[in-house]
Amino acid sequence: EPEVTQTPSHQVTQMGQEVILRCVPISNHLYFYWYRQILGQKVEFLVSFYNNEISEKSEIFDDQFSVERPDGSNFTLKIRSTKLEDSAMYFCASISRSGTLNTGELFFGEGSRLTVL
Amino acid sequence: GEDVEQSLFLSVREGDSSVINCTYTDSSSTYLYWYKQEPGAGLQLLTYIFSNMDMKQDQRLTVLLNKKDKHLSLRIADTQTGDSAIYFCAETPTTDSWGKLQFGAGTQVVVTP
Repeated sequence: EPEVTQTPSHQVTQMGQEVILRCVPISNHLYFYWYRQILGQKVEFLVSFYNNEISEKSEIFDDQFSVERPDGSNFTLKIRSTKLEDSAMYFCASISRSGTLNTGELFFGEGSRLTVL
Repeated sequence: GEDVEQSLFLSVREGDSSVINCTYTDSSSTYLYWYKQEPGAGLQLLTYIFSNMDMKQDQRLTVLLNKKDKHLSLRIADTQTGDSAIYFCAETPTTDSWGKLQFGAGTQVVVTP
């Protein structure tokens, strides 16, 4: 069964360093998302991406964050200068389609755990 | 603003039915979801329901939606130890915001033998 894959599964970085988290969404999906889950807190929406541009972003998604689809398969989240409070699990997701319509089924990857020291 | 509330903990005996409840505030919710998260793992989509439906059944899972009370529930029949996990309720407000989900805090379900 197709799935959303994410790398790395765990990354440890120093405060102020740049981090890139990578995702490969399911192949025929067109809408992509990043969410994060700080330990013990709710899963929070960060950004949605469609047709090579951001379609919606939350207040969390400030200038330190950026997303990119550098080729036909990868979808990346970059944090330019990490802060301690960026430590979280980051989930990539994509929404399935039936023909030309979105079905509403949102599939998540296994997550990338980011630890900022 | 939108909010999704769940009870934090549920303990159930193996073989019994579990019922996990969720309330939401956004009356324009279109899709409502249940996700399962096992320790250290990702979010597994269990089932979802469109807001024009009252009920959806999928094997051991039954979702009930009461739009008037903005109440969503997930019933797991014949609960197994493998059902121990955190269960998240989530909703998406409109079809203009595909995939922008508002999550509850999750209900920790512990299944005892």
